[in-house]
Amino acid sequence: QVQLVESGGGLVKPGGSLRLSCAASGFTFNDYYMSWIRQAPGKGLEWVSYISSSGFTIYYADSVKGRFTISRDNAKNLLYLQMNSLRAEDTAVYYCARTYIEVAGGERWFDPWGQGTLVTVSS
Amino acid sequence: QLTQSPSFLSASVGDRVTITCRASQGISSYLAWYQQKPGKAPNLLIYAASTLQSGVPSRFSGSGSGTEFTLTISSLQPEDFATYYCQQFNSYPPFTFGPGTTVDIK
Repeated sequence: QVQLVESGGGLVKPGGSLRLSCAASGFTFNDYYMSWIRQAPGKGLEWVSYISSSGFTIYYADSVKGRFTISRDNAKNLLYLQMNSLRAEDTAVYYCARTYIEVAGGERWFDPWGQGTLVTVSS
Repeated sequence: QLTQSPSFLSASVGDRVTITCRASQGISSYLAWYQQKPGKAPNLLIYAASTLQSGVPSRFSGSGSGTEFTLTISSLQPEDFATYYCQQFNSYPPFTFGPGTTVDIK
């Protein structure tokens, strides 16, 4: 079945770095766009970043632009999020999600989502 | 920007529940709805405003276009107590989510 499994979360000091991974299985990874979304404790969902199937098109939320880098390895079915200059406000559960956008039609969604990995930024 | 109302609602099993999502500008039908239970990842319910995702019970339905959308649960079941989010795909980035509506047991 289609599955996404995140890893790499943990406790890091402000200003530190962390790299998250998302392992995909059960579908043709290089056919799909992918996204990262985060959820701070007790808060709502915040989209973080998007990458096209080839990796050519990348978007970031303003809150992480210049600090986070999304990438993918289609040969290994892996999605990454390199997070630098981390701040306390980056503390959240980070989810990866398969992303579908039908350019000419209305079918657009994030599905499925991984189980999430917790990133805590604290001294 | 997306807003949702109400932010919180208490309902009983068997109730009909309606959640509204409003966009600050027209987004055609490029809207999805997700359900999230505590400690779990969100789950896609509806996309393109009214298309039910495969495997989602038919008591869930979506409607609307432009700036106003609704998610309706026709007969609330115990497993439906959760937080519901809308998300727009019309103008991106960003892929904006609404603030969420929590459905609790009365």
